[in-house]
Amino acid sequence: AQSVTQLDSQVPVFEEAPVELRCNYSSSVSVYLFWYVQYPNQGLQLLLKYLSGSTLVKGINGFEAEFNKSQTSFHLRKPSVHISDTAEYFCAVSSRSGNQFYFGTGTSLTVIP
Amino acid sequence: EADIYQTPRYLVIGTGKKITLECSQTMGHDKMYWYQQDPGMELHLIHYSYGVNSTEKGDLSSESTVSRIRTEHFPLTLESARPSHTSQYLCASRDTGVAPNEKLFFGSGTQLSVL
Repeated sequence: AQSVTQLDSQVPVFEEAPVELRCNYSSSVSVYLFWYVQYPNQGLQLLLKYLSGSTLVKGINGFEAEFNKSQTSFHLRKPSVHISDTAEYFCAVSSRSGNQFYFGTGTSLTVIP
Repeated sequence: EADIYQTPRYLVIGTGKKITLECSQTMGHDKMYWYQQDPGMELHLIHYSYGVNSTEKGDLSSESTVSRIRTEHFPLTLESARPSHTSQYLCASRDTGVAPNEKLFFGSGTQLSVL
């Protein structure tokens, strides 16, 4: 079975400061990993995904994430956040067969002016 | 703890069968969603509802239909399943409120395989 843990439910950070949103997963099989963002009053949007290859994945809006197989983590980072980054961020994992797909409980990022 | 449930968890059926994927939530949320996801691909919104008797098609065209007769229930139906419908189907809900309280809650998904 798989599961996804987002360790921080809320993360307040000042504008232009760096941020890291943590995601750990458990799985007995090889997985694909995703980060989604939900801006206020909008639907889900894919930020980035890891399928294979380089463990450092770059996404939209200056976000990046690093897949760490030994620590089963896929933390999301941005070196300098903007007010517009205020949103809910979801980590997700799926088996490569596509049989299973799990979302974390989300991290609410609030960027403070 | 998320109180949104999907059944069945897995479903393998033959071509041409009619199927209904169930989704229920006990949180009283007005907004409910159905997403479709294929291996390695991002989620795609196929249906959503903002309340009872309100249903809309999402970004991805789908041959499925939905209904919202009760707040807590948002079933998805395929009248005649085909192999191209094989996918993971995720149901989600959220409350109508002030951000950041409009957080999405996800069900555990239904993996549909049509032979």
